Amino acid sequence: QKEVEQDPGPLSVPEGAIVSLNCTYSNSAFQYFMWYRQYSRKGPELLMYTYSSGNKEDGRFTAQVDKSSKYISLFIRDSQPSDSATYLCAMSAGGKLTFGQGTILTVHP
Amino acid sequence: DAGVIQSPRHEVTEMGQEVTLRCKPISGHDYLFWYRQTMMRGLELLIYFNNNVPIDDSGMPEDRFSAKMPNASFSTLKIQPSEPRDSAVYLCASSLAGGIYGYTFGSGTRLTVV
Repeated sequence: QKEVEQDPGPLSVPEGAIVSLNCTYSNSAFQYFMWYRQYSRKGPELLMYTYSSGNKEDGRFTAQVDKSSKYISLFIRDSQPSDSATYLCAMSAGGKLTFGQGTILTVHP
Repeated sequence: DAGVIQSPRHEVTEMGQEVTLRCKPISGHDYLFWYRQTMMRGLELLIYFNNNVPIDDSGMPEDRFSAKMPNASFSTLKIQPSEPRDSAVYLCASSLAGGIYGYTFGSGTRLTVV
């Protein structure tokens, strides 16, 4: 079993939809939780960062962490074609990050 | 700061040839990571350095792969000899304080071995 599980999709939604991306994990030592966005032929870029259970909002993006269930989510409201990318969850324990497989998202006009 | 800089952006080489990938981390970052990314396996950590010292190279697939960090501003990943199954995107990332605050990635080197 992988330490971090993420549904690879692909996920295709119409513009304006609410998108929900999810990851589960098995390592209780994970303390810091992140979401990265990766556009085609680019490196991943940090989108959201949190270290506690609960919600964190940044514009149209909300990151949710439930440590008791070992589950994290990223919600995108009013999705735009420019949100089309691969989204990777990542978690940290100690000196390195462990990444999910990534979910490919396409938002069509 | 220009971010993490990788070169070359693309590399096409023949099987058996030596390949050297280069990375310049963000100034002041004390951690450097090399990842390999493929559709099938996602992001795989190959090796990481702290203050120029290799800390964990357990992800290096085999002896054909080697990495060095001679100083705080430069690292190389070498594959010798290269094989078609090494074709992938190789990403370099740097950070402060390990993974606590996330990494900054370069744009990657797309390697094709024919």
